[in-house]
Amino acid sequence: EAGVTQFPSHSVIEKGQTVTLRCDPISGHDNLYWYRRVMGKEIKFLLHFVKESKQDESGMPNNRFLAERTGGTYSTLKVQPAELEDSGVYFCASTPEGGRASEQYFGPGTRLTVT
Amino acid sequence: GDSVTQMEGPVTLSEEAFLTINCTYTATGYPSLFWYVQYPGEGLQLLLKATKADDKGSNKGFEATYRKETTSFHLEKGSVQVSDSAVYFCALGSSNTGKLIFGQGTTLQVKP
Repeated sequence: EAGVTQFPSHSVIEKGQTVTLRCDPISGHDNLYWYRRVMGKEIKFLLHFVKESKQDESGMPNNRFLAERTGGTYSTLKVQPAELEDSGVYFCASTPEGGRASEQYFGPGTRLTVT
Repeated sequence: GDSVTQMEGPVTLSEEAFLTINCTYTATGYPSLFWYVQYPGEGLQLLLKATKADDKGSNKGFEATYRKETTSFHLEKGSVQVSDSAVYFCALGSSNTGKLIFGQGTTLQVKP
């Protein structure tokens, strides 16, 4: 069974440009999470989908970030326009059940560098 | 709000040394606790977990015990190997949504 995949693995863009990150969860996993790790600090929660609905988007830093999960399968995270502080590694995770004890399966991450 | 604090790294050990990585947490309610590991070039993998007080999680020789009285979940291994070199993250699952709150990560380097 394929794991969580993310694309691209690495993206370098200039300040002011737009970037779209993609996450394909494990097939059948209704819960999808986005996280971000900036500059070797802690990994921070961004948002949580249950199927195509946003369950919790309390971690989204500002309105330059837009996440979608049309059809409840893959998800995209768009940053527009990108700023220098958006640089970091963006992780996606999925799980069949969203409870507090559930193991989340993580993708390898997308390293975003904004110059 | 809920938070996790890990000992800062990097931690450098010789092979077969004893490992402890400290982790403490602040949370309301009854969180679950996790240790995730990220090997070079890979994504995060669940190493072990504990869902209630006094539970001990264990995997691959690593152990951690959920201590409610000290709000801790320290990771230990009796004899590390070079292949254990990775970044270790302590995390808690604090709500019914299951979102994880992570510590800052501890880089472990094991030398032969």
